Amino acid sequence: QQQVKQSPQSLIVQKGGISIINCAYENTAFDYFPWYQQFPGKGPALLIAIRPDVSEKKEGRFTISFNKSAKQFSLHIMDSQPGDSATYFCAASIRTGNNRKLIWGLGTSLAVNP
Amino acid sequence: NAGVMQNPRHLVRRRGQEARLRCSPMKGHSHVYWYRQLPEEGLKFMVYLQKENIIDESGMPKERFSAEFPKEGPSILRIQQVVRGDSAAYFCASSPRGTESSNYGYTFGSGTRLTVV
Repeated sequence: QQQVKQSPQSLIVQKGGISIINCAYENTAFDYFPWYQQFPGKGPALLIAIRPDVSEKKEGRFTISFNKSAKQFSLHIMDSQPGDSATYFCAASIRTGNNRKLIWGLGTSLAVNP
Repeated sequence: NAGVMQNPRHLVRRRGQEARLRCSPMKGHSHVYWYRQLPEEGLKFMVYLQKENIIDESGMPKERFSAEFPKEGPSILRIQQVVRGDSAAYFCASSPRGTESSNYGYTFGSGTRLTVV
C-alpha cells in the first residue's frame, strides 16, 4: 500500500514534443507529491511538487496534473528539449509517527532526440 | 553556500573490506537521509538521522551496515565486509527540518559510487 507505481520505464520523445510520465498510488495518506530529475552521475534534484488539494501545477515547461479520485498524478514536459534527457522520479510523502518518509517510483529514463 | 557534499565520489573495495561513505549536509540542515540506488532501479531508503540520533533505520540491512551522524562532523555510512552485491550508488540527502517543514523536498548530494571487486 506504500508503493508508488511509475510508468513508462523509458521514453523517447522528439525535440519539441510532449513528454508524459505517469504515477499511481494507493495510500490516501500521502499528502505531498514531488518529482525529481536526475542527470547521469548526479543526485536527484527537486523539479516540481504538488499537494493533493490542487489539480494542476505549472512551472515553466513542467506541469503536474493530479487526479485525487483516481489516485494518479503525471508530469508533462512541454516543448521537450535534448537537455531534458534525464531520469525522472515521482515520489509521495507520508507522515509516519513523528517522521516523514518519501516513497519513490522506480524512475523513467527520458531521451529527447534532437 | 555549498550543497550536500559527499565523498568520496568513487570508492573501490575488495570483498571483505570496509567502506566508509561520508556526507556533509547543507549548512543549517540537521536531518540526513541515506539512499541506495542500484543500476536501473529507483532509490531505496536506508536510514534517517538527526544529530546524534537514528530516527528511522527501517531500510538498513540488518547486518554489516551502520550509520551515524555525530554532533560534530559529517554523517558516515559504514559497510563492513563488503560483498559484490553492495556495489551501488549511495546518495545522501539533507533537509532543514524533518516533519514540520512545509517543503518536504530533500537536497541530494552527487552520491558515492561503490564498486566491490
